[in-house]
Amino acid sequence: GAGVSQSPRYKVTKRGQDVTLRCDPISSHATLYWYQQALGQGPEFLTYFNYEAQPDKSGLPSDRFSAERPEGSISTLTIQRTEQRDSAMYRCASSLARGNEQYFGPGTRLTVT
Amino acid sequence: GQNIDQPTEMTATEGAIVQINCTYQTSGFNGLFWYQQHAGEAPTFLSYNVLDGLEEKGRFSSFLSRSKGYSYLLLKELQMKDSASYLCAVIPGGSYIPTFGRGTSLIVHP
Repeated sequence: GAGVSQSPRYKVTKRGQDVTLRCDPISSHATLYWYQQALGQGPEFLTYFNYEAQPDKSGLPSDRFSAERPEGSISTLTIQRTEQRDSAMYRCASSLARGNEQYFGPGTRLTVT
Repeated sequence: GQNIDQPTEMTATEGAIVQINCTYQTSGFNGLFWYQQHAGEAPTFLSYNVLDGLEEKGRFSSFLSRSKGYSYLLLKELQMKDSASYLCAVIPGGSYIPTFGRGTSLIVHP
């Protein structure tokens, strides 16, 4: 595609509900990263995929967080039993290969009430 | 852990030159990136340094000294649209995961 897209752009959910966020990377890009970004801070790493493999998920805050990229293209980030502290901007980025510059999506603003 | 330091905020005048510094302490080094992020938007790639020296790209240049753990982003002929946050990101040795600094908010005034 022309750029990285994410959906939904905004999500409001009640505490305890599950949410799934979607990322559609640039089609030729092998690597896909998920970040959490607080206001006034840089992106914080959550996990990344190289094709469909997930070599590192050390940044996921708890086992309520999981991510998939089953066919090496679109990825989803799922948060189970959401808590208020999960409220944040979630950004996806893709790169041609590991270690290359990243192209970021517009993000999903998640609010847990 | 990895540590990236940048000034929180800088101000400059339209038409001037500004230098944004970034110092880092990481386990090894695999490259340094600068990204620009306008308020409410996604970060966009500006530059990449992996060897010592200066990389020039139009009005923007980026410098790296690996021995000093130091980089700077130089913006020339500042324009109002350069008002944004500038993020320094370092990939440590043996990794593919960039660690981002908190960003430097640059305010350009007339």
